[in-house]
Order: sequence, then C-alpha cells, then structure tokens
Amino acid sequence: QKEVEQNSGPLSVPEGAIASLNCTYSDRGSQSFFWYRQYSGKSPELIMSIYSNGDKEDGRFTAQLNKASQYVSLLIRDSQPSDSATYLCAVNSDRGSTLGRLYFGRGTQLTVWP
Amino acid sequence: NAGVTQTPKFQVLKTGQSMTLQCAQDMNHNSMYWYRQDPGMGLRLIYYSASEGTTDKGEVPNGYNVSRLNKREFSLRLESAAPSQTSVYFCASSTGQGNTIYFGEGSWLTVV
Repeated sequence: QKEVEQNSGPLSVPEGAIASLNCTYSDRGSQSFFWYRQYSGKSPELIMSIYSNGDKEDGRFTAQLNKASQYVSLLIRDSQPSDSATYLCAVNSDRGSTLGRLYFGRGTQLTVWP
Repeated sequence: NAGVTQTPKFQVLKTGQSMTLQCAQDMNHNSMYWYRQDPGMGLRLIYYSASEGTTDKGEVPNGYNVSRLNKREFSLRLESAAPSQTSVYFCASSTGQGNTIYFGEGSWLTVV
C-alpha cells in the first residue's frame, strides 16, 4: 500500500506569517510530487509541482523535496486570509507507468487569521 | 477553455437506483480518472483510463463501472447505489507520465 501522510492539522497562522505544510511518502521510487489547494466546496487546484531534490519557488510558495528522507513540504510566505484552504500532497508512485496516477494525502487544513 | 466538465453537479438517489456520471475534457489528454472524496479520507481513486480503450481499477472500484467512450469522455456508472456511495466525485485528466492532473468541479451524490 503506497502511503502519503500529511501533518494532521488544522494549522492556524496569523496573517503575514510563514505557514509550513509537511508530507511524507512510503514509496522510495516516487518520481513526481504535487501540492494542491482545495477551497471548501471546490475542486483541487494545482499550486506546485516538484521533481528534483531541493527547493522550487513560485511567488509566495516554496516547495521543498528531500527524496532521501522521503519528505516534501510547502512553505507559504506572507500568508493571507485567502490562503485559508485544505492543502493536499500528492505523489506519483507508479514507476515506469505512463498513467500519471497520483496518491493523495488526507490534506492539512490551513486557517490564516487577520 | 472548459477543461474538465462533469455532470450532474448534484444528485440524490434512492438505494438501489442506478446512474451515470458524465465527464469530458477538451485538453486532448490521454489519461482520465475518477476519484471520490469523503471527509477525513482524502481523495481515493476509483477507476482510471491510461488511454482511449483501456480502463483499470483504482483503490476503491467496488460498486462502480466505467466506460472510456472516446479520448474526451470517461463515464462512471453506479449500477445499484448504496448509502456508502454518498460522496463527492471528481473526474480528472492528465497527459500521463507523472504530469499534472486537472480536476473537474465535482459531483455531489447523496444516496438515501
């Protein structure tokens, strides 16, 4: 069973702070890693994808990947109330497959308070 | 550009009734997926289709069937609905090979 685990939350941070979201995965052969944001009652939308060890930055978002530790994280700098949502970590663990099949964590609910 | 379109958005079924959820994508993607999302359970894969003409079971296929009608369309059928199938259903598509998955807006299904 391929598992993706996220810190349970909920996570609450003040506006302007850094929010740190964490995810671990069980399959050492995983190749692709994604963070999705899901507002209540809406569908998941992609925030970041990361494929190589290290950091990847996009605006206020930074994804960090450490394959040796089987760990991926998402940092949100200068958090805004509009960032309040559930964040889903997803991992592609089908080595050699063309399916692009993703395994999802259960999500971490983030609340940014003014 | 519509992306991934699902119908219906909301549906109430009685136990034992059947229905089909429709999904279409206009991004020329090869792979399509059906997920269900339940509180505290995250997104779980029901069925997927790597390409036109192929379908495979995901994590929770029992009680469902799918049809990949053509490259654009992938439908999910509940033959005899059960209360345990009350959930939010998401259709999604991707180019495959570990690339980004794009989701439809979801279908809220209640079985009473």
